[in-house]
Amino acid sequence: AQSVTQLDSQVPVFEEAPVELRCNYSSSVSVYLFWYVQYPNQGLQLLLKYLSGSTLVESINGFEAEFNKSQTSFHLRKPSVHISDTAEYFCAQSLNDYKLSFGAGTTVTVRA
Amino acid sequence: DAGVIQSPRHEVTEMGQEVTLRCKPISGHDYLFWYRQTMMRGLELLIYFNNNVPIDDSGMPEDRFSAKMPNASFSTLKIQPSEPRDSAVYFCASTSPPGNTIYFGEGSWLTVV
Repeated sequence: AQSVTQLDSQVPVFEEAPVELRCNYSSSVSVYLFWYVQYPNQGLQLLLKYLSGSTLVESINGFEAEFNKSQTSFHLRKPSVHISDTAEYFCAQSLNDYKLSFGAGTTVTVRA
Repeated sequence: DAGVIQSPRHEVTEMGQEVTLRCKPISGHDYLFWYRQTMMRGLELLIYFNNNVPIDDSGMPEDRFSAKMPNASFSTLKIQPSEPRDSAVYFCASTSPPGNTIYFGEGSWLTVV
């Protein structure tokens, strides 16, 4: 069975500071990896995804994640956060069947 | 595109009542998913459909839960009878290959008292 581990449940961070959210996935021959963001009282929105190719993937709002096969990790980073980045972030994994397995989520709280 | 549309957004019902949640996937998407989100269990896949056919319902918690997709633009998730432990946010999502990007609706927030 697939499993995704998000190592931090809560990450407080000051505005303009960097942030890293850690995610480890269960090893598989072929795996697709995703980061979703959920703002308060809203649904999930795709932040970025890794399907194949370059191991570094970026989102339009400054987040990036690196696929590391040897460490089975897909950590999410942003060099400088904004208040508006306050949200819950979910790492997810799927094989070829579109079934997403989600991590438990990491709540990021950005303070001024 | 309007995205995945769910209704109702919020529902409060009494234990024992029937609850029906509705979903309209993004036009052209042939996969539809129902997820449940709770504090205790996080996000769980309940069931998913491909071309209106249920593919995997192993996540449906018990017989009180049922889901249908009568056509490509509509799906329902029904709970009968409802119980307080069913209180959760229920998300509908859809996708279509290629790309594996799954788009979520805003969720239906269910409270069973």
